[in-house]
Amino acid sequence: GEDVEQSLFLSVREGDSSVINCTYTDSSSTYLYWYKQEPGAGLQLLTYIFSNMDMKQDQRLTVLLNKKDKHLSLRIADTQTGDSAIYFCAVFSGGYNKLIFGAGTRLAVHP
Amino acid sequence: AAGVIQSPRHLIKEKRETATLKCYPIPRHDTVYWYQQGPGQDPQFLISFYEKMQSDKGSIPDRFSAQQFSDYHSELNMSSLELGDSALYFCASSREKNTEAFFGQGTRLTVV
Repeated sequence: GEDVEQSLFLSVREGDSSVINCTYTDSSSTYLYWYKQEPGAGLQLLTYIFSNMDMKQDQRLTVLLNKKDKHLSLRIADTQTGDSAIYFCAVFSGGYNKLIFGAGTRLAVHP
Repeated sequence: AAGVIQSPRHLIKEKRETATLKCYPIPRHDTVYWYQQGPGQDPQFLISFYEKMQSDKGSIPDRFSAQQFSDYHSELNMSSLELGDSALYFCASSREKNTEAFFGQGTRLTVV
């Protein structure tokens, strides 16, 4: 079945860039998403990329998509303490009407 | 801008009771998804609806049922609740299938 994998933990210093990586198996995925979840809160849509794009930039966020390798990354520039959260990669399963989530990457930002 | 509304935000039920969770999608969104997120887990897909018809089904127990109504809101009905059903239940909506999906704040269900 479809699979989405992420590293579970990332620690960065405030002001540095964070790069969160994600790999997926479904080559027919159309939209690929990044969601942010703070403790006890809901899933906040951060950004997404359509499968015919290889890069999307939105303020401090840059999404890179390598469709050949089925690799998606989220770069957060000038990481702040408020960016500490769990970041979920999610892809639409091709041919099915459902989003498949990765296990989430916990980003810890320290001074 | 209007977001996905879920109610209630918190719910406490006893074992073997029933619960109904409601989801009001963003206006003009015709697709609704339900997810269950256990403690420390990633969201697991339960079921989706498109234009009031069931679209896809995931790991939804037989004790649960859901439907989408004529006004596009959706309800998740959960019967014979078990302790393991305690989780955060998210609803998401999108305009048409396989487009941007926005999530509600979730309903935290605690079964005691």
